[in-house]
Amino acid sequence: DAGVIQSPRHEVTEMGQEVTLRCKPISGHNSLFWYRQTMMRGLELLIYFNNNVPIDDSGMPEDRFSAKMPNASFSTLKIQPSEPRDSAVYFCASSEPPRQGKFKLFFGSGTQLSVL
Amino acid sequence: AQKITQTQPGMFVQEKEAVTLDCTYDTSDQSYGLFWYKQPSSGEMIFLIYQGSYDEQNATEGRYSLNFQKARKSANLVISASQLGDSAMYFCAMSLPSGAGSYQLTFGKGTKLSVIP
Repeated sequence: DAGVIQSPRHEVTEMGQEVTLRCKPISGHNSLFWYRQTMMRGLELLIYFNNNVPIDDSGMPEDRFSAKMPNASFSTLKIQPSEPRDSAVYFCASSEPPRQGKFKLFFGSGTQLSVL
Repeated sequence: AQKITQTQPGMFVQEKEAVTLDCTYDTSDQSYGLFWYKQPSSGEMIFLIYQGSYDEQNATEGRYSLNFQKARKSANLVISASQLGDSAMYFCAMSLPSGAGSYQLTFGKGTKLSVIP
């Protein structure tokens, strides 16, 4: 299995530009999560989907952030317009349906975003 | 709101010694899961071990064991026979059911472990 695939690995952009991060979850996984990691705030859950439906987006910092999951094998996280404080590592993770309450979250390699 | 606390920003351990990384959690739910992840300098998040709130025995995975003390709400990670490759950030996390058959995972701030040769 290829694991969770994120692209790009690195993104450098200028303030005000639109940024789109992409994620392909592991086949058969029905939950997808977007996390942001910074030194100051650690790992923050931004949004997660269950069966392609957004369940909780309360972690999305502002309206500048949006996420979609048009099908079971693809999700995007978009920032428009981007700001320097959005600089962080963005992780996508997926999990299969829980079994007896147990599940394992598999992470992608992350996208290192730098907004200048 | 659920909360995960890792009080040790950094830890040092001598190679081949055992080390305990602390984690306490706060939740009023009865059903939850506790996880530990490793993040080496390369950045990827690696799953290490899982403990369910109803599991009576402490979880073990190779050199990793989870010291689960439910009454104290602690889920410490014990690494036995430390190796140089264990140097990394370690994150404790808790999962809670969030409806629609899904679970939400909340992470602590992490502990940076350095293994000394």
